[in-house]
Amino acid sequence: DAGVTQSPTHLIKTRGQQVTLRCSPKSGHDTVSWYQQALGQGPQFIFQYYEEEERQRGNFPDRFSGHQFPNYSSELNVNALLLGDSALYLCASSSGTHQTQYFGPGTRLLVL
Amino acid sequence: ELKVEQNPLFLSMQEGKNYTIYCNYSTTSDRLYWYRQDPGKSLESLFVLLSNGAVKQEGRLMASLDTKARLSTLHITAAVHDLSATYFCAVGHKLAGYGGSQGNLIFGKGTKLSVKP
Repeated sequence: DAGVTQSPTHLIKTRGQQVTLRCSPKSGHDTVSWYQQALGQGPQFIFQYYEEEERQRGNFPDRFSGHQFPNYSSELNVNALLLGDSALYLCASSSGTHQTQYFGPGTRLLVL
Repeated sequence: ELKVEQNPLFLSMQEGKNYTIYCNYSTTSDRLYWYRQDPGKSLESLFVLLSNGAVKQEGRLMASLDTKARLSTLHITAAVHDLSATYFCAVGHKLAGYGGSQGNLIFGKGTKLSVKP
């Protein structure tokens, strides 16, 4: 049973560029949450998707947007990248019956 | 605003010793999670605690929850080097209007544990 997968594993961008990160949830999970983890900090919630809709959002600017597809996979898009967006981006999946969030390996984004 | 505080943030232990990590949170919550993170890796779920007085144990780790005190503890017994990692507690809550579905997690800053021989 495959766990949560994310791609790419690493990414280097320059300021002002745009980036798309991808996540496939654990089999049987229908909810995807995205978190940003800066170095030495705990993860910060960005948003959560369920049934292809954003149903909860954290304190992140509109530059951060997302999407969920009918197969429950999800994308995180960040526009107009800033140096401060450099972080590990974690995707977590869960389901209504088993609500523990299981995390993927993350995408490490470096903005130069 | 829900806040989660962990202490200590850094912990250096000798193998064989016992220690406790504390997690305080500021408002009521439906559930409390403990995760482990190895350097450069993702988060591994260790425990989920759902009710007051809940206690869970796995190997040398034991987690407990006191909802009245808004406190969870992670106790390490006879530490070994393999337990070296960063441990996070996270507080979850139900989403209003979504039939009890779990919303976002609020994480503490983590406790970096180093177990030395």
